[in-house]
Amino acid sequence: NAGVTQTPKFRILKIGQSMTLQCTQDMNHNYMYWYRQDPGMGLKLIYYSVGAGITDKGEVPNGYNVSRSTTEDFPLRLELAAPSQTSVYFCASKKGPTHSPLHFGNGTRLTVT
Amino acid sequence: EDKVVQSPLSLVVHEGDTVTLNCSYEVTNFRSLLWYKQEKKAPTFLFMLTSSGIEKKSGRLSSILDKKELFSILNITATQTGDSAVYLCAVQGNTPLVFGKGTRLSVIA
Repeated sequence: NAGVTQTPKFRILKIGQSMTLQCTQDMNHNYMYWYRQDPGMGLKLIYYSVGAGITDKGEVPNGYNVSRSTTEDFPLRLELAAPSQTSVYFCASKKGPTHSPLHFGNGTRLTVT
Repeated sequence: EDKVVQSPLSLVVHEGDTVTLNCSYEVTNFRSLLWYKQEKKAPTFLFMLTSSGIEKKSGRLSSILDKKELFSILNITATQTGDSAVYLCAVQGNTPLVFGKGTRLSVIA
């Protein structure tokens, strides 16, 4: 079972470049999330989606965009990358709104220099 | 604003010790509290707690929730070097899961 798959695993960007972090899940989960994790800071929610065509901002959405055209895919777009976006990004999904745990991808380590 | 506070932030113990990790929270319309273990990559799910006083147990790990005092503890008995990881606590209320900063546990032989 693939679960939640993120690509790429690593990426180095120059300031001002753009990129898309890919996330796909094969569990038919409606709920999908993007978190970023900075050293010693836990996980902070960037964007989430409760189903295809529906997205909403989390705690730290500035500098990011998302789309959810299918149940399986939830890409995260970085426009005009900044050093403050250097982080590890995790995509996660779950089956329902409550009483179901998040399933995480293995993360994308992004460095902006 | 929903908040999760974990303590201690880091902990070093010897193999065989028992450890207790703490998680306190403030959340609107509490639904569940979850514990995750994170080694080098993605967090992996340990427990979900929804009711006070009912212990969840898996091998040497156990956890309990106190909804009146708004906290949970995660116990690990007879620690092993493989238990070294960051342990994350998260709560679910009206908003998506809110995570604490984690407790970094180091178990030395």
